[in-house]
Amino acid sequence: DQQVKQNSPSLSVQEGRISILNCDYTNSMFDYFLWYKKYPAEGPTFLISISSIKDKNEDGRFTVFLNKSAKHLSLHIVPSQPGDSAVYFCAASPSIQGAQKLVFGQGTRLTINP
Amino acid sequence: GAVVSQHPSRVICKSGTSVKIECRSLDFQATTMFWYRQFPKKSLMLMATSNEGSKATYEQGVEKDKFLINHASLTLSTLTVTSAHPEDSSFYICSASAGTSGNTIYFGEGSWLTVV
Repeated sequence: DQQVKQNSPSLSVQEGRISILNCDYTNSMFDYFLWYKKYPAEGPTFLISISSIKDKNEDGRFTVFLNKSAKHLSLHIVPSQPGDSAVYFCAASPSIQGAQKLVFGQGTRLTINP
Repeated sequence: GAVVSQHPSRVICKSGTSVKIECRSLDFQATTMFWYRQFPKKSLMLMATSNEGSKATYEQGVEKDKFLINHASLTLSTLTVTSAHPEDSSFYICSASAGTSGNTIYFGEGSWLTVV
C-alpha cells in the first residue's frame, strides 16, 4: 500500500518556466511533509518542508503548497533552471520531530530544457 | 554543516557472502539512524530503525536475520547483508537526524550493492 504517491514519473519543463510537482498521500496521521532532491548515485538532499498547520511555505524559488482536505501537496519551482534537473521525492512523517521515519513517494524525474 | 557519510559507495559481492555497509554521522551524534532501500524507479522504502545501544526495529517484511544492523556508537551504524543473493542487489541508503526539525534529517550518499 503506497501511502505517499507521486503519480508523474517524469516532467519536462522549459528553462525559466514554472515546474509543478505533485504528491498525494492517504494517511491522515501524517503531520509533516518534506521535499527532497536527488541526483544519481547521491543521497537525497532536503529542499523544503511544511507542517500540517500551514498551507504554504516559501523558500526562494521553491514553494510548497499543502491541501489537507485533499491530502495533496505540490512543489513549485519558479523560475526553473537547468540545475534543477533531478529526481524529486516527497516524503511524509507523523511528526515534525526530526528523528521520525519518513515515508517516500516514488519520485518524479524533472528535466529542465534550455 | 552536518553530514552523513556512507561507505562503500559501490560494492560487488558473490552470492552467499556477506557485505557490510557503514553509515557515519560526521559532526553530530545520532541516537537514531534509519536504513532505506531503493529498487529501480521505486521509492525509498524504510527497512529498519537503528537505535544506539539497543536492537534495531525492523519494518514488516524485512528479515532481521538477513539484514543485520548494529549501532554501537552515536556516530556509526552498520548494515550487514548476510548470505547475499542477486535479489538483494539494490541501492541502500541511511539517514540520521541532527536536530528536532525535518530540515535536519541528513542522508548518506547511498551504497550500490550488486550481488553476482
